[in-house]
Amino acid sequence: AQSVAQPEDQVNVAEGNPLTVKCTYSVSGNPYLFWYVQYPNRGLQFLLKYITGDNLVKGSYGFEAEFNKSQTSFHLKKPSALVSDSALYFCAVSAYNFNKFYFGSGTKLNVKP
Amino acid sequence: GAGVSQSPSNKVTEKGKDVELRCDPISGHTALYWYRQSLGQGLEFLIYFQGNSAPDKSGLPSDRFSAERTGGSVSTLTIQRTQQEDSAVYLCASSLGSSGRVDEQFFGPGTRLTVL
Repeated sequence: AQSVAQPEDQVNVAEGNPLTVKCTYSVSGNPYLFWYVQYPNRGLQFLLKYITGDNLVKGSYGFEAEFNKSQTSFHLKKPSALVSDSALYFCAVSAYNFNKFYFGSGTKLNVKP
Repeated sequence: GAGVSQSPSNKVTEKGKDVELRCDPISGHTALYWYRQSLGQGLEFLIYFQGNSAPDKSGLPSDRFSAERTGGSVSTLTIQRTQQEDSAVYLCASSLGSSGRVDEQFFGPGTRLTVL
C-alpha cells in the first residue's frame, strides 16, 4: 500500500539556521514526490517535485529536497530559515496510479527570530 | 490568472441536513480532486475526476458522500444527512492532468464545514 510518513509533528529552528523537514514514503514502483506548504488560513501551495533525474530538486522560496531511494526518503531542506517560512508542510507521493496522491500528516515549522 | 475557487468559505449546518460544496478549477485543468482535512490530520483523498473518464470514488468515506463534475469544469461535493464527524475543511485541487505525467496540484482555499 502507498503511504507517506512525516515523523515530526513540529520542527523548531532559529532564523538563519538550516532546516530539515523529514518525509519517508512507501510505494509500489517508482515514486513521484511532492512538497506543499500551507500558510495560515490559506490553501496549499506547491513547493517542488521529484519525478526523475537528479536526486536534488530545487523549488520555490529557496527550498530544496533530496530523493534517497535506498532510504525511501524525500527530506525538505533550506540552508537558512526565515521567520516567514513558518507554516505547515506536507509531503505527498503518487505512484503507478497517477490519479491518487497520498499526503503525510504534515509538519509544523516554527522559525523563531 | 484566477486560481481554484471554492464556495462557501464557511458552512455551519445542523446534524442531519444536506450540504453542497462547490469548486471552480483553473480553466484548462482536466484533473480535479477533493480532499478532506481534519484538525491535526493530513489530507484525506476523497474523489478524483479526469476529463470524461469515470471518477475514482475510492476515497469517499460513506454513501452519504457524492460528487459531480459538470461539463468537465465545476464540481460539487454533496454530503447528505451530515454527521458531526463530517466537520472538517474540504479542499479542492486541480491539475493539468497531462497524459502519462504527474502534474502538481493547485489547491483552493477550502470550505470549512461545521456540523452542530
